[in-house]
Amino acid sequence: AAGVIQSPRHLIKEKRETATLKCYPISRHDTVYWYQQGPGQDPQFLISFYEKMQSDKGSIPDRFSAQQFSDYHSELNMSSLELGDSALYFCASSYQAGSKDEQYFGPGTRLTVT
Amino acid sequence: AQSVTQPDIHITVSEGASLELRCNYSYGATPYLFWYVQSPGQGLQLLLKYFSGDTLVQGIKGFEAEFKRSQSSFNLRKPSVHWSDAAEYFCAVDDNSGGGADGLTFGKGTHLIIQP
Repeated sequence: AAGVIQSPRHLIKEKRETATLKCYPISRHDTVYWYQQGPGQDPQFLISFYEKMQSDKGSIPDRFSAQQFSDYHSELNMSSLELGDSALYFCASSYQAGSKDEQYFGPGTRLTVT
Repeated sequence: AQSVTQPDIHITVSEGASLELRCNYSYGATPYLFWYVQSPGQGLQLLLKYFSGDTLVQGIKGFEAEFKRSQSSFNLRKPSVHWSDAAEYFCAVDDNSGGGADGLTFGKGTHLIIQP
């Protein structure tokens, strides 16, 4: 079965630009999570959605927003990009009615802000 | 707030030797516990998880972990490592407080180096 798909895999932006990252969960998964992993750091939870509603919120900057669509894919929108936003952004998905806490991670989108 | 501690930043093990990676968590109740592995530039792969029940859990790739409530620990073990096990290992916790879709809290990771 196909895993979590993230696009693009690599993205280069300049300071103050905007970026949109996309996440396509595993088939039947209804929950999406976003994480940010800085260089040499552990992943930090940003935000999650269940059935298109925000479910949990972590350390997501106000410049970032996200949503989950009717087909369960999710987009992370990042505005006024800063150099410190350069990181690997992971999306994970899970199925709430199943083993809901078992999150499956995508390959990540590497964002470089110059 | 919950926290996860992985005391060892780097561990070097000879190929064929046994391995134990330490993880301690700080949380009032019993959280859900996970071990993930990450190869360079790659995503995170779930090795194993503990929700409840038997405190010794088996995972993929020959890994196992033991939950010890008295020590607030969830150490990862493997009896004989292979060169392909070289990677970054993360312990993670879900405090199971939100009823679903909770974000995971990760430890800082342990970098495993395998010597030939």
